[in-house]
Amino acid sequence: QKEVEQDPGPLSVPEGAIVSLNCTYSNSAFQYFMWYRQYSRKGPELLMYTYSSGNKEDGRFTAQVDKSSKYISLFIRDSQPSDSATYLCAMKGTGGFKTIFGAGTRLFVKA
Amino acid sequence: DAGVIQSPRHEVTEMGQEVTLRCKPISGHNSLFWYRQTMMRGLELLIYFNNNVPIDDSGMPEDRFSAKMPNASFSTLKIQPSEPRDSAVYFCASSPSGLAGGPDDEQFFGPGTRLTVL
Repeated sequence: QKEVEQDPGPLSVPEGAIVSLNCTYSNSAFQYFMWYRQYSRKGPELLMYTYSSGNKEDGRFTAQVDKSSKYISLFIRDSQPSDSATYLCAMKGTGGFKTIFGAGTRLFVKA
Repeated sequence: DAGVIQSPRHEVTEMGQEVTLRCKPISGHNSLFWYRQTMMRGLELLIYFNNNVPIDDSGMPEDRFSAKMPNASFSTLKIQPSEPRDSAVYFCASSPSGLAGGPDDEQFFGPGTRLTVL
């Protein structure tokens, strides 16, 4: 079993839809949870960062962490064609450098 | 700020040949990471350095892979001999953190090198 599981999609939605992206994990030591966005033929870039459980909102994006269920989510409101990309969840424990990435979910937002 | 620079952007080679990928991290960053990305396996960490010292190379798949960081502004990933299953996109990333590993430690990725081994 992988430490981080993420449905690779693809996920196709109409413009304006609410998008929900999810990851599950098995390592209870993870404390820091991130979402990276990767456009085609580009490197990933950090989108959202959350420590421990709870919600974090940034514009149209909301990240949620439920440590009791080992489940994290990224919500995108009023999705736009420019949101079309691969979204990778990532997480790590306290101390150290090693970040574990999910496989990434490909999202297509149709105009 | 030029960001993380990788070269070459594309590499096509034949099985058995030596391949060298290059990376210039963001100036002032203390940590450097090499990743490999494929459709099947996603983004895999190969090795990371802190202050030019390799900290964890457990992700390096085989002895055919080696990485060096001779100074703070340059790193190489070498594959010798290369095999078709090494075909992937290889990313280099850097982050500002020191050895303590700060919690909000964003990794900045380069554009990647797309490697094809025939």
